[in-house]
Amino acid sequence: AQSVTQLDSQVPVFEEAPVELRCNYSSSVSVYLFWYVQYPNQGLQLLLKYLSGSTLVESINGFEAEFNKSQTSFHLRKPSVHISDTAEYFCAVRRIGNEKLTFGTGTRLTIIP
Amino acid sequence: GAVVSQHPSRVICKSGTSVKIECRSLDFQATTMFWYRQFPKQSLMLMATSNEGSKATYEQGVEKDKFLINHASLTLSTLTVTSAHPEDSSFYICSAIPGTGADYVGYTFGSGTRLTVV
Repeated sequence: AQSVTQLDSQVPVFEEAPVELRCNYSSSVSVYLFWYVQYPNQGLQLLLKYLSGSTLVESINGFEAEFNKSQTSFHLRKPSVHISDTAEYFCAVRRIGNEKLTFGTGTRLTIIP
Repeated sequence: GAVVSQHPSRVICKSGTSVKIECRSLDFQATTMFWYRQFPKQSLMLMATSNEGSKATYEQGVEKDKFLINHASLTLSTLTVTSAHPEDSSFYICSAIPGTGADYVGYTFGSGTRLTVV
């Protein structure tokens, strides 16, 4: 079975500062990796995903994540955050060939004006 | 893009009554839908996998008689919380994937239903 660890439950960051949200996973087989964002009282929105190929994936709103197989990590980064980035961020993995998503416990990103 | 509509967004019910939550795929056919439960400030816990035309597969520890799932068509899955109690109060979220499932890598989530049992 696979598992996901998000070590930081809360991350406060000043506006326009960079941020990194950490995600580590464990799996005995190859996986797909995802980052989802959840705004208050809403469902999840896909932020970005790693399937194969380039280990650096980017989203349209400035976030990026890098797949590091040796460190089994998929950290999410943004060079300059905005107030609107305040949300809960979930890392998730899916074993290739299996339908189920396994989520981390989430990281609450709070942007300080 | 793929859109999943979940209804209602909020519901308050009395203890002992049943509540039905609907999850619809609006612009695609969803062979498989998933139901999650999210406690405050916690992650999503998969409750069950709903497959069109067959019985749902429940995760360990989830009472199938309490959380009834029906996936009668390719665009609709319902979750019924039967004889609800205050401890069933939670945020319920559905997600759906089109096609055959295993080959599809993206998931679309509904906007969630906040259930409060009083």
